[in-house]
Amino acid sequence: GQQVMQIPQYQHVQEGEDFTTYCNSSTTLSNIQWYKQRPGGHPVFLIQLVKSGEVKKQKRLTFQFGEAKKNSSLHITATQTTDVGTYFCAGDSGGSNYKLTFGKGTLLTVNP
Amino acid sequence: GAVVSQHPSWVICKSGTSVKIECRSLDFQATTMFWYRQFPKQSLMLMATSNEGSKATYEQGVEKDKFLINHASLTLSTLTVTSAHPEDSSFYICSARTGPNYGYTFGSGTRLTVV
Repeated sequence: GQQVMQIPQYQHVQEGEDFTTYCNSSTTLSNIQWYKQRPGGHPVFLIQLVKSGEVKKQKRLTFQFGEAKKNSSLHITATQTTDVGTYFCAGDSGGSNYKLTFGKGTLLTVNP
Repeated sequence: GAVVSQHPSWVICKSGTSVKIECRSLDFQATTMFWYRQFPKQSLMLMATSNEGSKATYEQGVEKDKFLINHASLTLSTLTVTSAHPEDSSFYICSARTGPNYGYTFGSGTRLTVV
């Protein structure tokens, strides 16, 4: 079945440093989504990427979808303590059931 | 935005008892809801897809008689953990989507502890 690999598993940075997490799917995706889960909380939708090579920005966050629609990245510029949490990518292979396959997530901790 | 209400947020039960978890879509109709299980510091594992008016679709390795799913209306899906055991202790989360161009909205999750 479809697999979504995500690295790194953990990342600890000093406040102000940049952060990147990467996702790679074993199959071509219809779209990829990114979620953030704060400690003790539930996943919150950040963004969806649909087009090959697409790049989207949300303030300090930059999301990219690969040309082959199999990989994606999330880059945070100048991290802040509010960025702490686990970032998950989730691949949608298409179909009418909207089923997602989640990566294992990257836990980001930020030292103030 | 879309809201999915999940109850209870936490529950402690004795081994052998059953626990029902509810998920409601508050401002949209959800013909499909998804139930996940999450172990500490791990990813979300899809357990089953709940379909309004029909049987749920379970992922491989998930016991359908253990985790009963009912999706009786367009706004309510329930997950019942039957004859719970300590190994069923986990964080259970539901999610739904308003359409193909939107992300998934998750419930706030239910932390189940079986003693």
